[in-house]
Amino acid sequence: RKEVEQDPGPFNVPEGATVAFNCTYSNSASQSFFWYRQDCRKEPKLLMSVYSSGNEDGRFTAQLNRASQYISLLIRDSKLSDSATYLCVVKYGAAGNKLTFGGGTRVLVKP
Amino acid sequence: DGGITQSPKYLFRKEGQNVTLSCEQNLNHDAMYWYRQDPGQGLRLIYYSQIVNDFQKGDIAEGYSVSREKKESFPLTVTSAQKNPTAFYLCASSRGDSYEQYFGPGTRLTVT
Repeated sequence: RKEVEQDPGPFNVPEGATVAFNCTYSNSASQSFFWYRQDCRKEPKLLMSVYSSGNEDGRFTAQLNRASQYISLLIRDSKLSDSATYLCVVKYGAAGNKLTFGGGTRVLVKP
Repeated sequence: DGGITQSPKYLFRKEGQNVTLSCEQNLNHDAMYWYRQDPGQGLRLIYYSQIVNDFQKGDIAEGYSVSREKKESFPLTVTSAQKNPTAFYLCASSRGDSYEQYFGPGTRLTVT
């Protein structure tokens, strides 16, 4: 079983709609969680960190469910520019800054 | 303009040749990382360095080597021992006390 698993998609989303997807992680000792965005053939960029109480950044909302070991990302009022692959990232352990990446969920927003 | 640069953007090599990928950062970050990404897959850590003159193996270090002689530079050598070297290689850096990793634009290596 992969340490961090994501539905690869694609999620085809009409412009203006809401889309949500999850990421599951296997190590209950996971400490920190992030969502990165990666455009086609580009480098990943940090979208947002995920806090225990959930957090929002504009149209993006991230949630963490430690009991069920998953995090989620919700995008409201989808824009064409939201089309990208969203990578779930988990940090294990206290030492160092090693991150484990999921395979990504591809989102395609269409007019 | 601060950032991370990787060169070249595209690299083609024949099987059996070693090749070195460049990664330079002017963010004054202590930590640097090398990842590999295969189509449809997540990033996998090859090597990382938390300080100059020190580095550790990541999850898939076999067939790769690195050096960290300067804070701003972390070159990766893909050796002929790497069985499937064709991939997208990403370099990243971070402050020692921050979890955000900033990525370079990547190098697409094709070995035939």
